Amino acid sequence: DTEVTQTPKHLVMGMTNKKSLKCEQHMGHRAMYWYKQKAKKPPELMFVYSYEKLSINESVPSRFSPECPNSSLLNLHLHALQPEDSALYLCASSPLGQANTEAFFGQGTRLTVV
Amino acid sequence: RKEVEQDPGPFNVPEGATVAFNCTYSNSASQSFFWYRQDCRKEPKLLMSVYSSGNEDGRFTAQLNRASQYISLLIRDSKLSDSATYLCVVNKAGGFKTIFGAGTRLFVKA
Repeated sequence: DTEVTQTPKHLVMGMTNKKSLKCEQHMGHRAMYWYKQKAKKPPELMFVYSYEKLSINESVPSRFSPECPNSSLLNLHLHALQPEDSALYLCASSPLGQANTEAFFGQGTRLTVV
Repeated sequence: RKEVEQDPGPFNVPEGATVAFNCTYSNSASQSFFWYRQDCRKEPKLLMSVYSSGNEDGRFTAQLNRASQYISLLIRDSKLSDSATYLCVVNKAGGFKTIFGAGTRLFVKA
C-alpha cells in the first residue's frame, strides 16, 4: 500500500463551523505533514509530525489545530476559518532515518470557506 | 531571497522538443533534492530524486551541483502528456522541512 488517503475530498464550511480533515497512511512512515496550496502557488508547509510528536509549526494560526492520534493517522481540526483559508490542503508522509526519501502526497482536500 | 527559486515559465514547446528547467537553493545545508510533477488540480507526485552524480530516467535527466547550489531537469523528446507544473523540492537537514520552489509550468503542443 503506497497510498496516502485524505478525507473528505471536498469540504465547504462556514466561518463559524468546526470541521476536521483526515489523513491516513499504512506505509509505516513516521513523518507526516500538512501543506496548504493556493491556486497557482506551490504547497506551503504548515505542520510536521515525527514519531507522532509535533516537530514543526510554521507559525500557523491557531484556528488550525493538528493532531496525530497514532503513527498512521493525522488530523487537521478547523475552527473559525476565514474565506482566505480556502485552499487545497495536502497531507504527506515520508520515512525517517533514510537519505533521499521523498514525501508521498494524498490527493488533498479542497476546502472552501464561505 | 526565496529558499528555492525556479525559472518562472511558462514554457511553451512543440512535441519532440528538449526543454530544461533550472532551480537554485539558498541553504547549503540542504540534503536531498527532488523534482515533482503536479497536474492541474492534482497532488504533487515524485518525478525523480536528484543525486550529485546525476541521474537519468528515460527521457528525463536530473543534475545537482552542490558547489553552485543548482539543480536542473532536462526533458528530451517532449510529449503532450508532459504538460504539467514541475516543482523543484529541497529537504533541509533531517529531512523534515521540505521546501517547494514556485514551480514551472510546461505546455507541450502538437
